[in-house]
Amino acid sequence: AQKVTQAQTEISVVEKEDVTLDCVYETRDTTYYLFWYKQPPSGELVFLIRRNSFDEQNEISGRYSWNFQKSTSSFNFTITASQVVDSAVYFCALSAPESTDKLIFGTGTRLQVFP
Amino acid sequence: DGGITQSPKYLFRKEGQNVTLSCEQNLNHDAMYWYRQDPGQGLRLIYYSQIVNDFQKGDIAEGYSVSREKKESFPLTVTSAQKNPTAFYLCASISRGGGQPQHFGDGTRLSIL
Repeated sequence: AQKVTQAQTEISVVEKEDVTLDCVYETRDTTYYLFWYKQPPSGELVFLIRRNSFDEQNEISGRYSWNFQKSTSSFNFTITASQVVDSAVYFCALSAPESTDKLIFGTGTRLQVFP
Repeated sequence: DGGITQSPKYLFRKEGQNVTLSCEQNLNHDAMYWYRQDPGQGLRLIYYSQIVNDFQKGDIAEGYSVSREKKESFPLTVTSAQKNPTAFYLCASISRGGGQPQHFGDGTRLSIL
């Protein structure tokens, strides 16, 4: 069975602090994909990044960076120098082609960035 | 611009009433999905369709029905059998294969009157 766990329900930081959102996943598939989505207060889900199970390179995009480690089944997301506009709920998700590309979501982490 | 359009944005249901949520995409995507989101929870899959005239139940299909008569459209009906329909509903689509990211609509918020 596939499962995604986001143990942090809510995180509060002050602007300019760095923050890391944790994601741990379970799957028996050898080929799978991991995603991060952002859900601002308006409700829509915004795609941030995708990694496949064969690519463990870490990635940096501006203030965002992702650390994928198969050995610990983790796909953590770090925001550097956080800003108020980063306040949102962040979801980690997993899909596998063998599972018809259905997304299995974690329960989300609500990030609040205070000025 | 290509995208997914969900309507209405807000919907109210009376007891014993069926309501239909609309989802239209112009991305030429093959697969479409319906998710339900409850406060403080992640998204749960209701139904999905990988091809026209075919669809499968997700994890929480009871009390819901769908149709896929056109590639662009995947409406969701919340029937009177769904006893707790108050939630945020999100529609998504994807171009099949290769773990592509799902594209989401802006959602419909359904409440009971």
